[in-house]
Amino acid sequence: DGGITQSPKYLFRKEGQNVTLSCEQNLNHDAMYWYRQDPGQGLRLIYYSQIVNDFQKGDIAEGYSVSREKKESFPLTVTSAQKNPTAFYLCASSIGTQPQHFGDGTRLSIL
Amino acid sequence: DQQVKQNSPSLSVQEGRISILNCDYTNSMFDYFLWYKKYPAEGPTFLISISSIKDKNEDGRFTVFLNKSAKHLSLHIVPSQPGDSAVYFCAASAGGGNNRLAFGKGNQVVVIP
Repeated sequence: DGGITQSPKYLFRKEGQNVTLSCEQNLNHDAMYWYRQDPGQGLRLIYYSQIVNDFQKGDIAEGYSVSREKKESFPLTVTSAQKNPTAFYLCASSIGTQPQHFGDGTRLSIL
Repeated sequence: DQQVKQNSPSLSVQEGRISILNCDYTNSMFDYFLWYKKYPAEGPTFLISISSIKDKNEDGRFTVFLNKSAKHLSLHIVPSQPGDSAVYFCAASAGGGNNRLAFGKGNQVVVIP
């Protein structure tokens, strides 16, 4: 059953620690994306990758880093430089001109 | 700067009636528009899309209308069903659905049985 898996669903970290959110897809999609959603807000693009070993900054990349070593995987690291990391993080993927397909998200809370 | 705007954050509608959601955009380069539906604690699910070469696209109970001159699109759901209760996001891109999307803030729809 193809899809996007984001793990874990809930994540808690202490302030000042880096944390990595996982995103894996078995849809054979070329492009992958990371979004952040805050309460009452739309989704804002953090980073995206059109092909392996290449990625671009989105609208709110500061304090985040990504890697794309494999087609199936696009992990997002929230660094201690991110001023307000508590949010709902969504990963998406797409192929060709098809609409983006989303995972079920990870809710990150900084204690 | 919000390039995609969804006003009227919430909408309540009786089951069987029509739900109309509106979306305005400011970027004239946008040529592809999408609606996503989202339940709490889940990712958005693609609902329907429209290219700028069309002014209407229909899929079952869902119809999207595009008015390019007004930079406005709307989503009509008819008849509304209780399972339609969710948050609906309007999104836009320049160059297809696989490109970077700009999202609106979303509309909460509640369908009353």
